[in-house]
Parts: sequence; C-alpha cells; structure tokens
Amino acid sequence: AQRVTQPEKLLSVFKGAPVELKCNYSYSGSPELFWYVQYSRQRLQLLLRHISRESIKGFTADLNKGETSFHLKKPFAQEEDSAMYYCALSQGAQKLVFGQGTRLTINP
Amino acid sequence: EAGVTQSPTHLIKTRGQQATLRCSPISGHTSVYWYQQALGLGLQFLLWYDEGEERNRGNFPPRFSGRQFPNYSSELNVNALELEDSALYLCASSLGRMTGDSTDTQYFGPGTRLTVL
Repeated sequence: AQRVTQPEKLLSVFKGAPVELKCNYSYSGSPELFWYVQYSRQRLQLLLRHISRESIKGFTADLNKGETSFHLKKPFAQEEDSAMYYCALSQGAQKLVFGQGTRLTINP
Repeated sequence: EAGVTQSPTHLIKTRGQQATLRCSPISGHTSVYWYQQALGLGLQFLLWYDEGEERNRGNFPPRFSGRQFPNYSSELNVNALELEDSALYLCASSLGRMTGDSTDTQYFGPGTRLTVL
C-alpha cells in the first residue's frame, strides 16, 4: 500500500538557519512526489514536484529512491516560510496520498 | 484568474441527515477531486471526476457519492451522516490532461467545514 510518512508534526528553526522537512514513502512502483504548502488563512498550494526539478522560494527536494525519501530543504529559512507543509505521492492515477503534514515555524 | 471555489463555507448537520457540498473548478479544468481532512487523519482522497465520469475512488463507504455536471462543476453528497464525518472537505481541479504517466497539478479550493452534531 502507498504510504507517506512525515515524522515531524512540528518543526521550529531560527531565521537564517537551514531547514529540512522529512518525507519518506512506501510504494513499489515509480512514484511522483510533491510538496504542498498551506500558509496561514490561505488554501493548499503546490510548492514543487520532483519531476520538474526546480527550486521554488529557495526550496529544493531530491527524490532518493534508495532511501525512499523526498526531503524538503532550504539553506536559509525566512519568517514567511512559516506554514504547514504536506508531502504527497501519486502513482499516476491522479490520486494524491498525503502525509500528515509538518507545521514549520520560523523564529525571528 | 479565479481559483477553485467551494460552497458553503460551513455546514452544520445532525446525525442521519444528508449533506451536499459544491465545487466549481478553475475555468478550462475538466478534472475535479474531493479530499477529506479529518482531525488527526490528514488529507484523504475521496473521489476523482473527469469529463463527467467517476475515474477513481478512495477507501470510503458508498454513502459518500458525487457527480460532475456538464460545466465540470461537482457535488459531493454524504448520506446518513455520522459524527466522524465532521471534517474539512477540500475540492481540487486540474486540466485533466495526462502527459504520459505524469500527474496533473491539482489546485485546491478553500474547503467546506462540515460539522455533524
């Protein structure tokens, strides 16, 4: 069965510090992985997807098939990065399987 | 560009009643998805409609049903409401075109908060 695990419900870092939000998945095929973000009082929106291999708002994520991970990283956190982050997996059937989410707080 | 819209924003029902939630996709999008975000359970896939047809269904009982209209808007119906149906219901839409095995980017609405008393 497909599963996405985000081990940290809460993550707090200081402004300017590096950020890493962990995501592990279980899926036997070739998954597509996504990171979605929800800022306060805003709707859920796509942050990045692994197939595009682009950096959005300074965030990057590399798919590691050996470790079945898709960790989200940013070298220098900013206060506006405070939000809820969800890792999601798709098997190509247009169904997204979401992790439980990590609430990231950036302290000034 | 107008985003995905959902109505109502809040809905309060009692056990055993039926609830109807509505979603209008982004103009030009033909696929609509429904997700349930219940407390402690995270976001769970409910239904996917494309071109008026149900394409995929999550692990939910049959009392969760829906439909997609010719204008691609969608309704989610929940019959015989139970207390545990209380949740935020999110609708998302996408272009509905799949390039090879690629998954469409899904754009989410603000959600409908359903409370069952």
